[in-house]
Amino acid sequence: DQQVKQNSPSLSVQEGRISILNCDYTNSMFDYFLWYKKYPAEGPTFLISISSIKDKNEDGRFTVFLNKSAKHLSLHIVPSQPGDSAVYFCAASRFNAGNNRKLIWGLGTSLGVNP
Amino acid sequence: GAVVSQHPSRVICKSGTSVKIECRSLDFQATTMFWYRQFPKQSLMLMATSNEGSKATYEQGVEKDKFLINHASLTLSTLTVTSAHPEDSSFYICSARDVGGGPQHFGDGTRLSIL
Repeated sequence: DQQVKQNSPSLSVQEGRISILNCDYTNSMFDYFLWYKKYPAEGPTFLISISSIKDKNEDGRFTVFLNKSAKHLSLHIVPSQPGDSAVYFCAASRFNAGNNRKLIWGLGTSLGVNP
Repeated sequence: GAVVSQHPSRVICKSGTSVKIECRSLDFQATTMFWYRQFPKQSLMLMATSNEGSKATYEQGVEKDKFLINHASLTLSTLTVTSAHPEDSSFYICSARDVGGGPQHFGDGTRLSIL
């Protein structure tokens, strides 16, 4: 059962335009959401996060929006740059029984930004 | 900042061999480290949460006697795959969280191939 879903395996965008990556989740217990970026042969790199008490968090060109009622979040990259081409993972977090935060991952969306 | 080093990056060995993978936080201290496994076309699956100075917490279905975890210091956790078999071949990746909190920071992963 995939609790975090990224339904678009890939996305192609023109340089300078907006990239919108989407993520849906099923578990209402998730209270913290993160986006990671991954280049080939490297581990994921933390990009931006949002707490469930907020609906928007912005950091430079990256903005994450959270719609709790729809259990949906999205990552906006404006303007998109060729260096943004990577796989983007959405992750949702909650405390587990051992009081540790556990991340549940989506399958990722491969973003290609064309010059 | 927040660099996590994982070693080795690739291992190829015979069935029955035990393999040790190291995960080090280079510029921060981590009371908690995480070990993940990823199969092709699947999302990262948490195997265990490693807490410095105490026993690791394993996820359901993960054999603790098969995957030995040691977190002896605030900067080092090791995962030992004991008596590895071909079905253990996978991509293993670790992450660490700073003692002050914040997101998990990932190593670059280890590709394990058991012949």
